[in-house]
Amino acid sequence: AQTVTQSQPEMSVQEAETVTLSCTYDTSESDYYLFWYKQPPSRQMILVIRQEAYKQQNATENRFSVNFQKAAKSFSLKISDSQLGDAAMYFCAYRSYTGANSKLTFGKGITLSVRP
Amino acid sequence: DGGITQSPKYLFRKEGQNVTLSCEQNLNHDAMYWYRQDPGQGLRLIYYSQIVNDFQKGDIAEGYSVSREKKESFPLTVTSAQKNPTAFYLCASKNFDRVGETQYFGPGTRLLVL
Repeated sequence: AQTVTQSQPEMSVQEAETVTLSCTYDTSESDYYLFWYKQPPSRQMILVIRQEAYKQQNATENRFSVNFQKAAKSFSLKISDSQLGDAAMYFCAYRSYTGANSKLTFGKGITLSVRP
Repeated sequence: DGGITQSPKYLFRKEGQNVTLSCEQNLNHDAMYWYRQDPGQGLRLIYYSQIVNDFQKGDIAEGYSVSREKKESFPLTVTSAQKNPTAFYLCASKNFDRVGETQYFGPGTRLLVL
């Protein structure tokens, strides 16, 4: 079974600075997807970024980028130019490539606070 | 607007009572999911359904039941057998045959025990 580990329960960043959130996972599969979700105080889950394991290039979405290290099974999220609206819980998630088993496995999440 | 709706936003359950959480989507998605979220925990899968009239247990199905009579609807019943039902419940959906597509989440239902 796959597992996702987010070892830092909380982090804090100064507005306009850069912060990196860590995530590691364990799997025996070679093809899979990795996701970062944001959950603001409204508790709505919002997709931040997605990475396909077969792609060597790291995914980027505006101020959000990942550092995907497949051999190390590491998938960190970098937030550049942090904004007050980035304050939220962030969840790392794994999904098998096979469509018939498309359930997500989540880490426990990390609470990010942004200092003005 | 296309999306996923969950109702009610807050739900109170008395001891021994069954309660049903509603999840509706108009995205024409085939697959639907129910997750439970507890403080300090990630989301855990309760049940999922890939097509109408079919569903599978997730990691924590005990004390819960579901039905999938319509493509748009996937209600979750929290039965009296669920001894610790207080949690935040999230419903999600996706296109089953689009492997790379992510799941889209509803706004959630907060269940509290009186």
